[in-house]
Amino acid sequence: NAGVTQTPKFQVLKTGQSMTLQCAQDMNHNSMYWYRQDPGMGLRLIYYSASEGTTDKGEVPNGYNVSRLNKREFSLRLESAAPSQTSVYFCASRTLLGDTQYFGPGTRLTVL
Amino acid sequence: DAKTTQPTSMDCAEGRAANLPCNHSTISGNEYVYWYRQIHSQGPQYIIHGLKNNETNEMASLIITEDRKSSTLILPHATLRDTAVYYCIVRGVTGANNLFFGTGTRLTVIP
Repeated sequence: NAGVTQTPKFQVLKTGQSMTLQCAQDMNHNSMYWYRQDPGMGLRLIYYSASEGTTDKGEVPNGYNVSRLNKREFSLRLESAAPSQTSVYFCASRTLLGDTQYFGPGTRLTVL
Repeated sequence: DAKTTQPTSMDCAEGRAANLPCNHSTISGNEYVYWYRQIHSQGPQYIIHGLKNNETNEMASLIITEDRKSSTLILPHATLRDTAVYYCIVRGVTGANNLFFGTGTRLTVIP
């Protein structure tokens, strides 16, 4: 039982490049979340998916798109990366009636 | 969701109890108090949560005042591995259920 996994762990992009961050959970959770964390700050919600087939914007969705591929996987795409998107990205999941979120180890993204 | 206020940083001697306070004076009746921590560079980790009664688990105790406007997380015997940023979060049970992370309290456990 790996919990929440994220790939890649590290990535460096040039401005304008695109990439997809992958997240998967093996806990049969319904809800999944993407957060970003800038240095010295708390996490901010980018997008979430309450259940398979649904996605909704969070606090800071601009510049990102998401796909809830199936119940297990929730990906985050940067179509045209900008230096302001340099951050650590965390994926999380939660059961339908559960109270706690379980976080992945994070992806450290640098955009030059 | 209600906002929370926490001290920016605290120190605690190894082996002693760490008491981390949190103010949430605008909490509403159906909102829970959650505590998470984030050890350097890792994903946040759930610690404990409660509504109005005091709660205890294998990691910590949560004391919520009777008026629910503040709470205290207690780590009974702090170890060096408890050095982390601790987030107090107030969340309702409807909506996105995302967690609003403020800047938290940076706890340093000193040998």
